[in-house]
Amino acid sequence: SSELTQDPAVSVALGQTVRITCQGDSLRSYYASWYQQKPGQAPVLVIYGKNNRPSGIPDRFSGSSSGNTASLTITGAQAEDEADYYCNSRDSSGNLVVFGGGTKLTVL
Amino acid sequence: QVTLKESGPVLVKPTETLTLTCTVSGFSLSNARMGVSWIRQPPGKALEWLAHIFSNDEKSYSTSLKSRLTISKDTSKSQVVLTMTNMDPVDTATYYCARIQTQWLLRWFDPWGQGTLVTVSS
Repeated sequence: SSELTQDPAVSVALGQTVRITCQGDSLRSYYASWYQQKPGQAPVLVIYGKNNRPSGIPDRFSGSSSGNTASLTITGAQAEDEADYYCNSRDSSGNLVVFGGGTKLTVL
Repeated sequence: QVTLKESGPVLVKPTETLTLTCTVSGFSLSNARMGVSWIRQPPGKALEWLAHIFSNDEKSYSTSLKSRLTISKDTSKSQVVLTMTNMDPVDTATYYCARIQTQWLLRWFDPWGQGTLVTVSS
């Protein structure tokens, strides 16, 4: 399969920890990357690979992977973290790219 | 600072061909392990990868849209062009270009252009 599956919506209380997951067969072979998208804005890379953060991304964002599931964890969620989050990886063939359907994160 | 900017028509008619240009700065289209991707997002929906082109001219296309897409680059102009034929109202979306980087087990997009909204309507 070349699909990545994400929960449509997740909520977290301010200051608490939340995990957003991404499932797919390709994740058994390839790492995921994660993007944050706020309304009306372009996506921004927050995690890539095993657990790499681009410069400027707070260290409360982290990534992990096990089997066919990749996870993005936000430790101590802030109000500004409310956004849509998308995962992507190489597809099972390795040649193409797939995105997950996105998860809407609400910070309560 | 790496930037990408999309340009092209905001409105196209059904059956027409869409041509979008991505102009990059801050990196060269000849840099190894780097390239440019096109990704689109219909209003209120998820991201959809369309195509990419790398410095060695390796090209890949979405399986579902392959017959309609062509990607090319002009390294001297720092531009990547995407054409999509036979446009339909369902192709209405914000079209983004993004720098793609690749390692053995990984491909990631950073940064992204601001996106350009293309509406398909008669």
